[in-house]
Amino acid sequence: DSGVTQTPKHLITATGQRVTLRCSPRSGDLSVYWYQQSLDQGLQFLIQYYNGEERAKGNILERFSAQQFPDLHSELNLSSLELGDSALYFCASSPRTAYEQYFGPGTRLTVT
Amino acid sequence: QQQVKQSPQSLIVQKGGISIINCAYENTAFDYFPWYQQFPGKGPALLIAIRPDVSEKKEGRFTISFNKSAKQFSLHIMDSQPGDSATYFCAASKNDKLIFGTGTRLQVFP
Repeated sequence: DSGVTQTPKHLITATGQRVTLRCSPRSGDLSVYWYQQSLDQGLQFLIQYYNGEERAKGNILERFSAQQFPDLHSELNLSSLELGDSALYFCASSPRTAYEQYFGPGTRLTVT
Repeated sequence: QQQVKQSPQSLIVQKGGISIINCAYENTAFDYFPWYQQFPGKGPALLIAIRPDVSEKKEGRFTISFNKSAKQFSLHIMDSQPGDSATYFCAASKNDKLIFGTGTRLQVFP
């Protein structure tokens, strides 16, 4: 167990809908990272927050947004969902930098 | 686009054999090279990592070999066990970003 929690574990929704994925980092970790894992794209970095502020952005679509709250938990919001958004979404946390990231169990999103 | 190229895509090894997974990178600014292990239904877990000022790092049955001039690094799993069957990802890091390889699915048969 990495100490990173993610909810929900599974999510099934329809195209055009909006969902929110939640992540609680390990105790004491200030950085939170979001990744998308799909069969054809592998693990893709989406976005990073450090102590409440956006630190780095990857291949995140404009329909997606994230935030990190004062208690350091983070939420990833996905809107106007398309079939291609079906994937595993992982959250990871680290104390400061990307060097040691601890991944949560993931949220499996299925868009029908 | 910064890339990390990983091969092979899949690997079948007999128990007790050596598993070798290779990665190559393009950006010489990368300064940290971790390997992650992922079991089905789980998130990736950090296995072992190396910095470019070291040519080899060993932890138990797992060894990273690093060739800075060739911009390549590899994971060797000695005495491979069925419990090592998983997907392995190499990655490279710079400025708070981890760039992952495409993964290698390892199957170790008894």
